[in-house]
This record gives sequence, structure tokens and C-alpha cells, in this order.
Amino acid sequence: GQNIDQPTEMTATEGAIVQINCTYQTSGFNGLFWYQQHAGEAPTFLSYNVLDGLEEKGRFSSFLSRSKGYSYLLLKELQMKDSASYLCAAMDSNYQLIWGAGTKLIIKP
Amino acid sequence: GAVVSQHPSRVICKSGTSVKIECRSLDFQATTMFWYRQFPKQSLMLMATSNEGSKATYEQGVEKDKFLINHASLTLSTLTVTSAHPEDSSFYICSANREGEASPLHFGNGTRLTVT
Repeated sequence: GQNIDQPTEMTATEGAIVQINCTYQTSGFNGLFWYQQHAGEAPTFLSYNVLDGLEEKGRFSSFLSRSKGYSYLLLKELQMKDSASYLCAAMDSNYQLIWGAGTKLIIKP
Repeated sequence: GAVVSQHPSRVICKSGTSVKIECRSLDFQATTMFWYRQFPKQSLMLMATSNEGSKATYEQGVEKDKFLINHASLTLSTLTVTSAHPEDSSFYICSANREGEASPLHFGNGTRLTVT
């Protein structure tokens, strides 16, 4: 079956760095997406990886290893506004998204 | 590009009534749109795939007679929650992407439905 695993909750300190991991199993693979979702709001797109390696976009970076079925989202210089849920989603061979349950990130001062 | 608009953002209705939620792709044509439901502290749950000009494809466990989907044009899909019950209270989100591409799924802002 198809499955996405990511931690339920993480806590980090303002100004620090945090890495949110995601492992996936899908029927075929057309890329790995990360979304940010603040409470009560719809998800917003953060990053997309389809090739192995690290994609950097400002304070956020995303990494993919296709052979390991593994991705992570790296957040640097954490700010209080980064407190949100981070959703990992893998796209299968039919271009359908398989969603993880999300990681709630709590930032402490 | 790829903006998706959803309306209304919040709605409160009485048990037994019906509520219609609209989802529009503003700057691209979407032959396929997706409807999700999200309960508090849970992830997105795909309800159905809305197909322009044909019947929607519902996920297992989702009642097609209760959640009516109409994809009347290439830019508009509607979800009607019929005979709403308090347990239907949830956050409903539509999304779309450029079909057949591994492009980001863009979401509407969601509709918070409360059934009293």
C-alpha cells in the first residue's frame, strides 16, 4: 500500500534549526511536496523535490533521497511565525498526492 | 499563477439544510479539482476528485448522495453538503493543479462549516 510517515509533533527554539523527516512508500513516484498549514487555514506550498539532493529556498530547504524513500524539510533561523503544521505529500504514478498526517511544529522563545 | 478561490470561508447552518461551497481556478483551467475534508488536528482527507463534464470520483466511505459535486466548467467546481448534520462540521478545502503535471497542488482558503 501507499504510506507516508512523519513525526506528529516537534518543538524547537526561536533562532534555532529544525529538521522534519518524512518517509514514503508509493506506487510510482512523481515528486515530494512540503506544505505549511497554520491553524484554521489552508495549506500553502513550500517546496517540491523530484531529483535527489537538497533544494534551498531562503530559510527553508528540502532534501530528497529516492532510493531511501526519504525526505526532510530543514528550517533555519526559526521565527515564532513558523509555528504551524508541516505536511509531507508524495505524488504517485497517477499524479495523485498521498498525504502524511502532518508534523506540528511548536516554536518556543 | 495557479490561484484557487473558495467561497464561502465560513458558514453556519441548521441540521437538515444544504450548503453549497464553490471552488474556482482563477488563472488556469482545471479539468480536475480535489475536495478535501480536515477535522481538527488531523491531516487532509481526500473526499472526491471532481472531473469537468463527468461524474466525480468518490473515495471509499464518502457518500456521493450526501456530498454532491458538480464540475460545470473548466474553472468551477461545487460541493453541496445535503441534509447536513452536526458531524459534518469540518474544514472543507478544494484544490487544483495543472492536470497531468507534477505541479504543486494549490488550495483554496477553505470553508469552515458548522452545523448546529
